[in-house]
Amino acid sequence: DTAVSQTPKYLVTQMGNDKSIKCEQNLGHDTMYWYKQDSKKFLKIMFSYNNKELIINETVPNRFSPKSPDKAHLNLHINSLELGDSAVYFCASSPPLAGPNSYNEQFFGPGTRLTVL
Amino acid sequence: QKEVEQDPGPLSVPEGAIVSLNCTYSNSAFQYFMWYRQYSRKGPELLMYTYSSGNKEDGRFTAQVDKSSKYISLFIRDSQPSDSATYLCAMSARNTGTASKLTFGTGTRLQVTL
Repeated sequence: DTAVSQTPKYLVTQMGNDKSIKCEQNLGHDTMYWYKQDSKKFLKIMFSYNNKELIINETVPNRFSPKSPDKAHLNLHINSLELGDSAVYFCASSPPLAGPNSYNEQFFGPGTRLTVL
Repeated sequence: QKEVEQDPGPLSVPEGAIVSLNCTYSNSAFQYFMWYRQYSRKGPELLMYTYSSGNKEDGRFTAQVDKSSKYISLFIRDSQPSDSATYLCAMSARNTGTASKLTFGTGTRLQVTL
């Protein structure tokens, strides 16, 4: 009954390779996110999709390309992996806003620990 | 300088102590203030949420926001070993669409010892 799931949990790969991380949520949320958490635990947003449409696109290298086949899935493809891409990548989802002063809680997945050698 | 500053710790306290965790921020547009708890090798989970200034209490946890000083706090009373985790403050500006763009602090690692 996992709410937000990610695969794989661990990913070890060589520099220059291309890899994908998958995320699925069964909460019925419309909005999904990708975050990167570096070795110092700093968590930074990368992308957000709402119902398959890209709505947040932070300053991220073009080597990172998100794809949302439907509103329950958000995948992250990374080309030409570099050492600096080593981090934990978190997927999150959130429900629609309840009102103008509301906050839509983001539910995080367990993370994918990427190590680039 | 980061938009949100948070002391990374680690902070070690004995069981039963009162813990005070803090963040400062520079963006006056921030309206929503959250505290997330992250256990080792897990994703963050929302602990407390406050809109604008004021206090909010939930069991042993109290969140305070002082927008005039751009300073937020999380207090944990009667701390327990199970509170040992990294605590991340997060903030966002007024919602204008369908997504909240959260800006996180670096997190404070808390260790509660027996």
